[in-house]
Amino acid sequence: EAGVAQSPRYKIIEKRQSVAFWCNPISGHATLYWYQQILGQGPKLLIQFQNNGVVDDSQLPKDRFSAERLKGVDSTLKIQPAKLEDSAVYLCASATPGTSTDTQYFGPGTRLTVL
Amino acid sequence: KNQVEQSPQSLIILEGKNCTLQCNYTVSPFSNLRWYKQDTGRGPVSLTIMTFSENTKSNGRYTATLDADTKQSSLHITASQLSDSASYICVVSEGFSGGYNKLIFGAGTRLAVHP
Repeated sequence: EAGVAQSPRYKIIEKRQSVAFWCNPISGHATLYWYQQILGQGPKLLIQFQNNGVVDDSQLPKDRFSAERLKGVDSTLKIQPAKLEDSAVYLCASATPGTSTDTQYFGPGTRLTVL
Repeated sequence: KNQVEQSPQSLIILEGKNCTLQCNYTVSPFSNLRWYKQDTGRGPVSLTIMTFSENTKSNGRYTATLDADTKQSSLHITASQLSDSASYICVVSEGFSGGYNKLIFGAGTRLAVHP
């Protein structure tokens, strides 16, 4: 079974530039998550999708971050414009909904460096 | 405020030795508690998931315990191997079983196993 795919793996941009990340979840997983992991910290949920609907985006900085999941499969996360404090690893995870103990499967992440 | 705190922040042990990582949480309502292993440069991988009624769960050389009364969990690693070098993240699910659960992540314990 193929895992969660993310691209690019690394990205370096200057502040005020825009950047987009892509995630392809495990086939059949209706739930998709985007997390931000700053060095030395645990992941922080940015947004959760159930199919193509948003379940939780309470911690998404909506003035600069946006995410979409068209057709309920792939998802993109965009930052516009980027700030220095956005430097982090952006993790995508997917899960099959149904029970409270559903396991989240994480992708390898995209490491963003904002200069 | 719902929080998950882990200790120690980092740990160095010799190959073959045992170790125990701690997790304290203040999440309510509690749904379940998970331990993840995160290798450097990779996404977290689930080790164990425990619900309120479970007080121990094993996965190979990893054994997790849960005391829901004191809101504490531990992860015990037996006969450590070099490949155990990673960050171990405690995650508590906030919410009600069967419904939408919000995951609260700890900052992780960075374990280094030396030969």
